[in-house]
Amino acid sequence: NAGVTQTPKFQVLKTGQSMTLQCAQDMNHEYMSWYRQDPGMGLRLIHYSVGAGITDQGEVPNGYNVSRSTTEDFPLRLLSAAPSQTSVYFCASSSHGGGRNTIYFGEGSWLTVV
Amino acid sequence: GQQVMQIPQYQHVQEGEDFTTYCNSSTTLSNIQWYKQRPGGHPVFLIQLVKSGEVKKQKRLTFQFGEAKKNSSLHITATQTTDVGTYFCAGMKVIQGAQKLVFGQGTRLTINP
Repeated sequence: NAGVTQTPKFQVLKTGQSMTLQCAQDMNHEYMSWYRQDPGMGLRLIHYSVGAGITDQGEVPNGYNVSRSTTEDFPLRLLSAAPSQTSVYFCASSSHGGGRNTIYFGEGSWLTVV
Repeated sequence: GQQVMQIPQYQHVQEGEDFTTYCNSSTTLSNIQWYKQRPGGHPVFLIQLVKSGEVKKQKRLTFQFGEAKKNSSLHITATQTTDVGTYFCAGMKVIQGAQKLVFGQGTRLTINP
């Protein structure tokens, strides 16, 4: 099993550009989520999904869109990148949501918006 | 509020010294998880505590969940250089009627060999 796979690992964007961070898991997990990590802020939940076709907002959803057309994939879209979105992004999955089960994280995507 | 407070933010120790990080919530947590993130890496699950007053050990690591289920701690005995990293707690809380996992800010541990 590959676990949780994120791409790209590094990306530099110009302000106003759009892009998609890809996330895929091969563990047949129902619950997937996106976090951003900033210095001194810990991990903050952006969006999450409890199953295919179902998504919901987390703590910091503004400026991001998600979709969940399949169980395996959960892409994160930046609609119009801003310097405030410079961060490390982690995709995660678990067999159940809400912290009842172990969360498996991808290796992270380092995004810089200039 | 939604936050789970974790202290200290940074801790630097000599190799062989002990280390403790604390996690506190203003509201009761259903459970608490601990994760370790090595520099440049991703968070990796360490353990989950569910019961009031629960204590679990993993070799030199001791995890505690408070009696009121509002606080938790991770204690490392005799630190080694392999312990370097950021330790996060994550507590499950009821927010706006739904159970959600809330991460602490993390404690970054550095070690002088």
